[in-house]
Amino acid sequence: AQSVAQPEDQVNVAEGNPLTVKCTYSVSGNPYLFWYVQYPNRGLQFLLKYITGDNLVKGSYGFEAEFNKSQTSFHLKKPSALVSDSALYFCAVRDRTNAGKSTFGDGTTLTVKP
Amino acid sequence: SQTIHQWPATLVQPVGSPLSLECTVEGTSNPNLYWYRQAAGRGLQLLFYSVGIGQISSEVPQNLSASRPQDRQFILSSKKLLLSDSGFYLCAWGQGEGYGYTFGSGTRLTVV
Repeated sequence: AQSVAQPEDQVNVAEGNPLTVKCTYSVSGNPYLFWYVQYPNRGLQFLLKYITGDNLVKGSYGFEAEFNKSQTSFHLKKPSALVSDSALYFCAVRDRTNAGKSTFGDGTTLTVKP
Repeated sequence: SQTIHQWPATLVQPVGSPLSLECTVEGTSNPNLYWYRQAAGRGLQLLFYSVGIGQISSEVPQNLSASRPQDRQFILSSKKLLLSDSGFYLCAWGQGEGYGYTFGSGTRLTVV
């Protein structure tokens, strides 16, 4: 069975500072990993993915994520946070079967203060 | 372009009443479709998924059911709602192997 852990319920950073939102995963074989963002009372929006290749992947709104196979981690990063980045962030792993089911972490609330 | 529609946006229903939430996808064919429930604004629980018309797989035994009467239509139903069915329901479309999901805007269901 696949699983995802987001160890921090809340991350607070000051605007302009770098941010990191942590994610670790457990899956048999090579993972498909994703980050999504959710704003209040809205559906999730895709940010970025890791399928294969370079360990550093770049996504929407200046976000990037680093895949580390030995640590089974896929942390989300941004060099300079904006107040508008404040939202709920989800890490997910998707299985490689025809069903393509995704398992999500519990989410991390990011708050960027001016 | 490819879009996903989900309605209604909010719903308040009495205990014991029926439920029908609808999700439709445009701009693609034979999509994988998923129903998730999000409780208290946190993690998502997979309820049902479908890889084709009439093909429904249930992940969690519960008071809900799902149907896929057409290729791009996915319906979540209940004959009698329970208080515990309250939550934020999200429909998602899987774009194929290696791709992320596209989510609908969600339905906030409150059972009173």
